[in-house]
Amino acid sequence: DTEVTQTPKHLVMGMTNKKSLKCEQHMGHRAMYWYKQKAKKPPELMFVYSYEKLSINESVPSRFSPECPNSSLLNLHLHALQPEDSALYLCASSQLAGSDYGYTFGSGTRLTVV
Amino acid sequence: AQKVTQAQTEISVVEKEDVTLDCVYETRDTTYYLFWYKQPPSGELVFLIRRNSFDEQNEISGRYSWNFQKSTSSFNFTITASQVVDSAVYFCALSDDSGTYKYIFGTGTRLKVLA
Repeated sequence: DTEVTQTPKHLVMGMTNKKSLKCEQHMGHRAMYWYKQKAKKPPELMFVYSYEKLSINESVPSRFSPECPNSSLLNLHLHALQPEDSALYLCASSQLAGSDYGYTFGSGTRLTVV
Repeated sequence: AQKVTQAQTEISVVEKEDVTLDCVYETRDTTYYLFWYKQPPSGELVFLIRRNSFDEQNEISGRYSWNFQKSTSSFNFTITASQVVDSAVYFCALSDDSGTYKYIFGTGTRLKVLA
């Protein structure tokens, strides 16, 4: 299995809702990442998990809360989002943490906040 | 400061034409890594190649080839005999050896291959 699976593929949520994005990989990768991508822009790093521990938080607002329950799963909990948070949220993994590795990306969750 | 420039915002070619996507980078580091990723309409970024700063050999993989030239700080990507399935946004990215976990992405080049 050489892929990263993200669910749901599409999500529409109100500003008062709580929802979660899920990411799963079974490649034995020990680093997982959340990226946010706005239309016609490159992806921006949000969080890095290494060996299930949060290593990097790129000053992301607390309405985004990551969680890594085990080495194969990565969640992103969403609460009280704003319309400007609408974007494509991409999960990625790599053998070890570090941007010198090539990443395997999922196909993303397209989030719309209304 | 590190920077990646993809000056071509959008390129359109007819199927079977060759096309080169340009990538120019800036870094003061001696050890760094360069990448190309493809993002088709389905959304995922597909890893195409990783090259470290000490390996200037050009690489060919099927219809894809990459030309790394440190003298001009460029890492260009050529698709030979383009196909409609090559239509995507292509990102060039740079990372250093400092363990920052962060890619410096270029702004991407949208390639449209017309049948």
